[in-house]
Amino acid sequence: DAGITQSPRHKVTETGTPVTLRCHQTENHRYMYWYRQDPGHGLRLIHYSYGVKDTDKGEVSDGYSVSRSKTEDFLLTLESATSSQTSVYFCAIGIREGYEQYFGPGTRLTVT
Amino acid sequence: AQSVSQHNHHVILSEAASLELGCNYSYGGTVNLFWYVQYPGQHLQLLLKYFSGDPLVKGIKGFEAEFIKSKFSFNLRKPSVQWSDTAEYFCAVSSFGNEKLTFGTGTRLTIIP
Repeated sequence: DAGITQSPRHKVTETGTPVTLRCHQTENHRYMYWYRQDPGHGLRLIHYSYGVKDTDKGEVSDGYSVSRSKTEDFLLTLESATSSQTSVYFCAIGIREGYEQYFGPGTRLTVT
Repeated sequence: AQSVSQHNHHVILSEAASLELGCNYSYGGTVNLFWYVQYPGQHLQLLLKYFSGDPLVKGIKGFEAEFIKSKFSFNLRKPSVQWSDTAEYFCAVSSFGNEKLTFGTGTRLTIIP
């Protein structure tokens, strides 16, 4: 257990509404990541953070933004949710300069 | 850019059969390699990892993997599978200077009792 929690665990929302997912860690790790998991695609990186206020884009960042104002929290925001963003979202923390990662329990998001 | 291929999308085995899941990566430099397992409805758990040293790596639950640099491969093996090994397995790679993991598309393993 890497001390990672995600909230909410399940969410159903309507197209066009904003949604924020929260990842919280208890072990003061520098690196944090947001992935989405879709059948046939494995896990794809959305955004990641290498410190407070330091973030960068992953391979599927369009339509998503992130913020990290405290070491322990990494927020993922969908400014205007679309049906293509229906997915399972996983947060991860990285150790060994991010080379090794451990995952949270996931958030299942459905956009109707 | 690094990439990972898992050619077996769905593998079905009977209990006690031997398992080998393929993983190939493309990157010319130093790599770190991982296998993760995801049981139904759960999050990813680290099964085993390779950073350096002995290319035969032993992980949890009787799994092992062998890094063959000349073949750019990191195949996962288990000599005798159990019904509880039913899960999805993901291979992943990171490389020196790149603090991001690249995942394969996963292999779904179904074990028939």
